[in-house]
Amino acid sequence: KAGVTQTPRYLIKTRGQQVTLSCSPISGHRSVSWYQQTPGQGLQFLFEYFSETQRNKGNFPGRFSGRQFSNSRSEMNVSTLELGDSALYLCASRQATGANVLTFGAGSRLTVL
Amino acid sequence: KNEVEQSPQNLTAQEGEFITINCSYSVGISALHWLQQHPGGGIVSLFMLSSGKKKHGRLIATINIQEKHSSLHITASHPRDSAVYICAVSKGNTPLVFGKGTRLSVIA
Repeated sequence: KAGVTQTPRYLIKTRGQQVTLSCSPISGHRSVSWYQQTPGQGLQFLFEYFSETQRNKGNFPGRFSGRQFSNSRSEMNVSTLELGDSALYLCASRQATGANVLTFGAGSRLTVL
Repeated sequence: KNEVEQSPQNLTAQEGEFITINCSYSVGISALHWLQQHPGGGIVSLFMLSSGKKKHGRLIATINIQEKHSSLHITASHPRDSAVYICAVSKGNTPLVFGKGTRLSVIA
């Protein structure tokens, strides 16, 4: 059974640009959540989607947005990139919301110059 | 004060040693997760606990709900156990709240 797939794995952008990251969950998993990991702040929750609806949102500015498609694949978008957006962005899937085990993708490492 | 506190922040052990990583939390939870992150970034979910104890190979996780405390033990540690171990808690459908992680280095 294929794992959680994130693309691209690495990308470099400049300030002011925007970026879209993709996450394909494990087949049958309907919940996808996104996290930002930086050396200073550690892992922080961005948002979670279930059946195309955003269920929870973390404390991030509106430049960070996401969506989920009918096949459960999810994308997140960051507009007007800032240097501080440089981070590892991880997505995770689970069968449903609530206390289920998460399966993480390998992450997308974003560098903003 | 963070909702989830881990100790120690860094840990160096000799191969074969018994290792304990601690996690304390300040809020009521429905589940506690232990995660492992190797260099390069990928995260693996090791355990999800709501009570008692779980064991998988050389790894053991325990939780004391009354004391709001969990421990992750590694028996007969090996260099391949070198990683960052992260504790996270959840309550119902609320998002996971993460500890800062414990960086473990096991030396041969």
